Amino acid sequence: AQSVTQPDIHITVSEGASLELRCNYSYGATPYLFWYVQSPGQGLQLLLKYFSGDTLVQGIKGFEAEFKRSQSSFNLRKPSVHWSDAAEYFCAVGPFSGNTPLVFGKGTRLSVIA
Amino acid sequence: ETGVTQSPTHLIKTRGQQVTLRCSSQSGHNTVSWYQQALGQGPQFIFQYYREEENGRGNFPPRFSGLQFPNYSSELNVNALELDDSALYLCASSLDSRGNNYNEQFFGPGTRLTVL
Repeated sequence: AQSVTQPDIHITVSEGASLELRCNYSYGATPYLFWYVQSPGQGLQLLLKYFSGDTLVQGIKGFEAEFKRSQSSFNLRKPSVHWSDAAEYFCAVGPFSGNTPLVFGKGTRLSVIA
Repeated sequence: ETGVTQSPTHLIKTRGQQVTLRCSSQSGHNTVSWYQQALGQGPQFIFQYYREEENGRGNFPPRFSGLQFPNYSSELNVNALELDDSALYLCASSLDSRGNNYNEQFFGPGTRLTVL
């Protein structure tokens, strides 16, 4: 069965510092991988996705993520965090085709301090 | 292009009542998926509708039911509400061309349901 683990429930970083949010997945084949962000009271916004090809993917708002098959990981990074990045971040995995639903991790809450 | 919209934004019900949540798909999309996001959790798949028929269901009891209309908008109905049904309910629309490509889901802002 597919599963996603986000080991960090809450992370606090200083504004301007670098960020890495961890995501590990369990899936029997090459998955589609996603990172979503959710601001308080908002729905989910897609930051980036990995389907195939280059294992380093660029997303919106200066985020990037690297797919590492050997580690079953898809960690999200940002070189310099802004206060507006404070939000909940969800990693999700999906299968190769069709409309099969996404499986989400429990999320990591990011706080940004001055 | 209009995005995914949901109504109402917030809703308060009491145990045992019934509730209907609504979702309008993004223009051109024919598939709607519903997710439940409990506090402190990631979204969990409830079910999906493709062209007015249920096209997959997660681990939710039958008192969670849905509809999709000819214009591809959708409703989520929950009967006999329980306290644990309190959550943010998200819908996501996508265009299923019945090919082998993954069909990206676009999420609405959600409906916050509180059951007292």
